[in-house]
Amino acid sequence: AQSVAQPEDQVNVAEGNPLTVKCTYSVSGNPYLFWYVQYPNRGLQFLLKYITGDNLVKGSYGFEAEFNKSQTSFHLKKPSALVSDSALYFCAVRDMGRDDKIIFGKGTRLHILP
Amino acid sequence: NAGVTQTPKFRILKIGQSMTLQCTQDMNHNYMYWYRQDPGMGLKLIYYSVGAGITDKGEVPNGYNVSRSTTEDFPLRLELAAPSQTSVYFCASSRPGGADREKLFFGSGTQLSVL
Repeated sequence: AQSVAQPEDQVNVAEGNPLTVKCTYSVSGNPYLFWYVQYPNRGLQFLLKYITGDNLVKGSYGFEAEFNKSQTSFHLKKPSALVSDSALYFCAVRDMGRDDKIIFGKGTRLHILP
Repeated sequence: NAGVTQTPKFRILKIGQSMTLQCTQDMNHNYMYWYRQDPGMGLKLIYYSVGAGITDKGEVPNGYNVSRSTTEDFPLRLELAAPSQTSVYFCASSRPGGADREKLFFGSGTQLSVL
């Protein structure tokens, strides 16, 4: 079965510094990969996706992620963090070689320190 | 454009009671999903559907049932509520093609407490 790992429960970054939120995955076929964000007391919002093509994917709010097939990773990055980026971030995967399930990781809480 | 609508927003159940969480979408999406969110556990897939009349189990289906009689609606049924079902429930929908291909659109969630 497909799976997603987010190894860090929490990431702290100073405002203005680059940020990285890590995600690794396991699938039997080709992956579709996603990042979603949840702000306090709000629902989930789509950030970006990798389906095919360029390994570097650009998304909303200045975020980007790089698909690395050899390392089975899809880390989320931003060059300069904002305090408003503080939220809960989820990585998700769909295994195209298997079924239509979209499985989420347990989430990483990002704190941007002013 | 309403998107994905979930009702109710909050509910308190007693152990053993039953209820249905409603989910409807007006985007003509084929795919619909139910997730539950528990602190520190992320989102767990309960059931999903790829079209009317087709449903399949996710990661944590026990204690729940679903039906998909129309493209728009995907209700989640709890038959005998248990404290372990206390959670926040999210419904989501997506479509396999177009610019928003595979992008999940989420409802605002239902906060359920079973006491």
